Amino acid sequence: DTGVSQNPRHKITKRGQNVTFRCDPISEHNRLYWYRQTLGQGPEFLTYFQNEAQLEKSRLLSDRFSAERPKGSFSTLEIQRTEQGDSAMYLCASSRIQGTSYEQYFGPGTRLTVT
Amino acid sequence: AQKITQTQPGMFVQEKEAVTLDCTYDTSDPSYGLFWYKQPSSGEMIFLIYQGSYDQQNATEGRYSLNFQKARKSANLVISASQLGDSAMYFCAMRDYNTGGFKTIFGAGTRLFVKA
Repeated sequence: DTGVSQNPRHKITKRGQNVTFRCDPISEHNRLYWYRQTLGQGPEFLTYFQNEAQLEKSRLLSDRFSAERPKGSFSTLEIQRTEQGDSAMYLCASSRIQGTSYEQYFGPGTRLTVT
Repeated sequence: AQKITQTQPGMFVQEKEAVTLDCTYDTSDPSYGLFWYKQPSSGEMIFLIYQGSYDQQNATEGRYSLNFQKARKSANLVISASQLGDSAMYFCAMRDYNTGGFKTIFGAGTRLFVKA
């Protein structure tokens, strides 16, 4: 396993701009998750894909957020018209069913700063 | 509703000593999983240990063990023989298998400091 990778690692943008993040999961993992983590807090679930299907979205995922996983491999998370409150670490994780543990492997995250 | 509570914002432990990080949870789903993750300053979340709600024995993984007390809804992490590299944030997490969909919820975390 090469691990979950995320790009870019850091992004600074001005309020109102659009940003897109990419996540490449572990190759044989068919499940992919996006989380958001603000300073001093645990990760908060945003959305989940099984293969290319987006099966669950959190209420945290406003209309300005959209996620895709077009071929069931990599995923993108886009934030339109960014706001200062969007500043956070965006974490991607992937998993496959291993018994019942559903262990998730996390990427290093993309840190977004909105100025 | 699902909830994870970690009441210790920070903990100190002497190198080579054992330390217990507290976690309580709330759920009405009889089928759930409990997880502990470590997040060093580099930011990457590292899976440590898993406990299923129907598991009869407490989970162990090397120096990590999970003290699972189902009736009290607690899932404390015990780290034995602490090492300097154990200094990090530790998150307790839960997933409800019947009612929770696919999401995992995390607590606010405990920062562990290991002293030489």
